Amino acid sequence: QSVLTQPPSVSGAPGQRVTISCTGSSSNIGAGYDVHWYQHLPGTAPKLLIYANTYRPSGVPDRFSGSKSGTSASLAITGLQAEDEADYYCQSYDSSLSGSVFGGGTKLTVL
Amino acid sequence: EVQLVESGGGLVQPGGSLRLSCAASGFTLSTYSMNWVRQAPGKGLEWISYISGSGDIIYYADSVKGRFTISRDNAKSSLFLQMDSLRAEDTAFYFCARVRGTMVTQEIDYWGPGILVTVSS
Repeated sequence: QSVLTQPPSVSGAPGQRVTISCTGSSSNIGAGYDVHWYQHLPGTAPKLLIYANTYRPSGVPDRFSGSKSGTSASLAITGLQAEDEADYYCQSYDSSLSGSVFGGGTKLTVL
Repeated sequence: EVQLVESGGGLVQPGGSLRLSCAASGFTLSTYSMNWVRQAPGKGLEWISYISGSGDIIYYADSVKGRFTISRDNAKSSLFLQMDSLRAEDTAFYFCARVRGTMVTQEIDYWGPGILVTVSS
């Protein structure tokens, strides 16, 4: 059971918009700790998509955006493309565990 | 170009030990904190250990505390993970990862391709 809760799967048609939620608690996201998002294609190295809640590293398309409110964060992907099909993970810090924590991951399927 | 390459994985019996290495290139290792993150088959990512640039600040996840030891040799641009008392549930791909920020604020900007550790008799 992950400390950060993500939906196991989401899907959308090419061109559509999807969102992936990451729900935490008062000891992690709700405590004000930053949330980061990663894209992971199995068998490859994960890729940083969003850092510090809303910032995109250079080279990440602006189709990807992040937000945070209260004890939750969200990743939004607009203009879905086939290449976006991957697993997505949120990450934050948890003060009760004194460690970094990842969400359980969300598999995005592009229909 | 930043590169991280893990080595040392393989098959080990329960209760055994293994030492993972991570060779870093394309940047000065001493200026970055580093993580080890793992992914068990069919499961999600799990952070397991953090070490500061100088090696004086170290954290472990409860799942590996007392059994795993993280270390680094900045002069040789290398990161290590000594894994002792291995259990079947330690079977996973292990990723070496570069950290931006502190333990609390950290994001991981570069990852290695990962290496498989299998604990089985």
